Amino acid sequence: EDKVVQSPLSLVVHEGDTVTLNCSYEVTNFRSLLWYKQEKKAPTFLFMLTSSGIEKKSGRLSSILDKKELFSILNITATQTGDSAIYLCAVEGGNDMRFGAGTRLTVKP
Amino acid sequence: KAGVTQTPRYLIKTRGQQVTLSCSPISGHRSVSWYQQTPGQGLQFLFEYFSETQRNKGNFPGRFSGRQFSNSRSEMNVSTLELGDSALYLCASSRLDRGQDTQYFGPGTRLTVL
Repeated sequence: EDKVVQSPLSLVVHEGDTVTLNCSYEVTNFRSLLWYKQEKKAPTFLFMLTSSGIEKKSGRLSSILDKKELFSILNITATQTGDSAIYLCAVEGGNDMRFGAGTRLTVKP
Repeated sequence: KAGVTQTPRYLIKTRGQQVTLSCSPISGHRSVSWYQQTPGQGLQFLFEYFSETQRNKGNFPGRFSGRQFSNSRSEMNVSTLELGDSALYLCASSRLDRGQDTQYFGPGTRLTVL
């Protein structure tokens, strides 16, 4: 059965720390992997990854996909309190789209 | 550019009733996808419509259906509501096929089934 597993489920850091969030997957007919940030409202799109080894970067956030080992990481450098959110990983495969349970990141001042 | 809008924002129904939710995508977007979010199951994909055709469907019973109109607006219908249907229903639109383009989410409709 297709599945998407995120780790850790929860993470508490202090401002300025660097964090790495993990997403591993087993999905039939992989098409893409997406990262979202969800605060108290609807998810906000961060990255879409389709090719292995190509880093996507947006400010302090970056992500990379490894299609051989079936995982992706999301890095956040110099974290700020505004980065506190749930980070969701989703994988599209075949006709379906599976979400991980999310990683709840808390950044303390 | 206006974002994705969903109506109504909140809805309370009783078991056995049916409900219709509406989603207006960003202008120019042809793909609309629907998701259900619950504390227990997290975010789950319901279906995607592209140019009035259902492209993909998640693992939900037939009580969940949808359609898309020629102006790309989409509706989702749930018949014979069950308590477990209480959730936040999100729709998202993208310019191209869901797997090829950035999705933008609406604020969601929070459905409570009593």
